[in-house]
Amino acid sequence: KNEVEQSPQNLTAQEGEFITINCSYSVGISALHWLQQHPGGGIVSLFMLSSGKKKHGRLIATINIQEKHSSLHITASHPRDSAVYICAVGASNYQLIWGAGTKLIIKP
Amino acid sequence: GAGVSQSPSNKVTEKGKDVELRCDPISGHTALYWYRQSLGQGLEFLIYFQGNSAPDKSGLPSDRFSAERTGGSVSTLTIQRTQQEDSAVYLCASSLAGQGAYEQYFGPGTRLTVT
Repeated sequence: KNEVEQSPQNLTAQEGEFITINCSYSVGISALHWLQQHPGGGIVSLFMLSSGKKKHGRLIATINIQEKHSSLHITASHPRDSAVYICAVGASNYQLIWGAGTKLIIKP
Repeated sequence: GAGVSQSPSNKVTEKGKDVELRCDPISGHTALYWYRQSLGQGLEFLIYFQGNSAPDKSGLPSDRFSAERTGGSVSTLTIQRTQQEDSAVYLCASSLAGQGAYEQYFGPGTRLTVT
């Protein structure tokens, strides 16, 4: 079993829909990261959180430390949100443990 | 401010040739990471630098791969005798410190194609 599991692997939705991507992990963490990778593009850090909730524009990230679970939500989704969303956890050392990513496609 | 830069952006090389990839991290970032991403795959960790030293080289796929970092800044990843399976995007990231609670800032990557 992978230490970081993301679901779903693939998600296709219509413009305007509310999107939820989930991340579960099995190790002790110092922080959880959500990152975005556009097709052919670089990787951008969206959030880093160790408790509670963070919001940036239409993006919201939550984490439940007791349940070892995080969610990334996108409100009023738009085709430009189409990307791969990656969850990664900072473990006790320097490394990030990476999820496999969720490929999101938003159709107009 | 300047982000992480990588050069070249694209590199096409013949099988058996050596290649050198460069990463210029954000000024003041002590931690530097190299990753590889094959087509349609997730990130594969290669090596981590804290300052000039590399406490973890465990991700390097073979002894054809080596990396160095000088002056706690620029890093080069060298692949000797390239093979077709080395074709991938090589990504560099830097962070303030080498702990998982610090954001990693990624460069645009170098797309390596071995023909």
